[in-house]
Amino acid sequence: EPEVTQTPSHQVTQMGQEVILRCVPISNHLYFYWYRQILGQKVEFLVSFYNNEISEKSEIFDDQFSVERPDGSNFTLKIRSTKLEDSAMYFCASSEGRLAGEQETQYFGPGTRLLVL
Amino acid sequence: KQEVTQIPAALSVPEGENLVLNCSFTDSAIYNLQWFRQDPGKGLTSLLLIQSSQREQTSGRLNASLDKSSGRSTLYIAASQPGDSATYLCAVPTSKLVFGAGTILRVKS
Repeated sequence: EPEVTQTPSHQVTQMGQEVILRCVPISNHLYFYWYRQILGQKVEFLVSFYNNEISEKSEIFDDQFSVERPDGSNFTLKIRSTKLEDSAMYFCASSEGRLAGEQETQYFGPGTRLLVL
Repeated sequence: KQEVTQIPAALSVPEGENLVLNCSFTDSAIYNLQWFRQDPGKGLTSLLLIQSSQREQTSGRLNASLDKSSGRSTLYIAASQPGDSATYLCAVPTSKLVFGAGTILRVKS
């Protein structure tokens, strides 16, 4: 069964460093998402991406964050200058994109645990 | 703005017991509702997606019901096992998924 994959599974970085989290969505999917979950808190939406541009972003997704689909398979989340409060589990998700986003199942990757020291 | 609440926050039951997890949402104009399982430190596993036109969806020992008009969904787990111990999350879509805080379930052997 096709699945969303994410790399790395864990990343430790120093405050102020740039990190890139990578995701490979399901191959025929057109909508891509990033969510994060700070330890002990709810899963929160960061950004959605469709047709090579951001569809929607949350208040969390400030200028330190960016997303890119550099080729036909990868979808990346970059944090330019990490802060301590960026420590969280980051989940990528994708959906088919045949219907409006709210009508479709989103399939989640296993997550990348980011620790900022 | 859609808000999702899950009750109880935590639940501990002996093995073999049937149990119900509750999810409520403030905006009843939803297309579907999804239940996930999350093991400690791990990702999200989709358990059931129930469409707004459905009242119930079943998968093995799991049964999810949806009452849009009252803004509620329940996840029923039959004959619970220690392997069911995890956090159970419900989520409803707007243009993105809005998650509840989850119910931490512990099934004691």
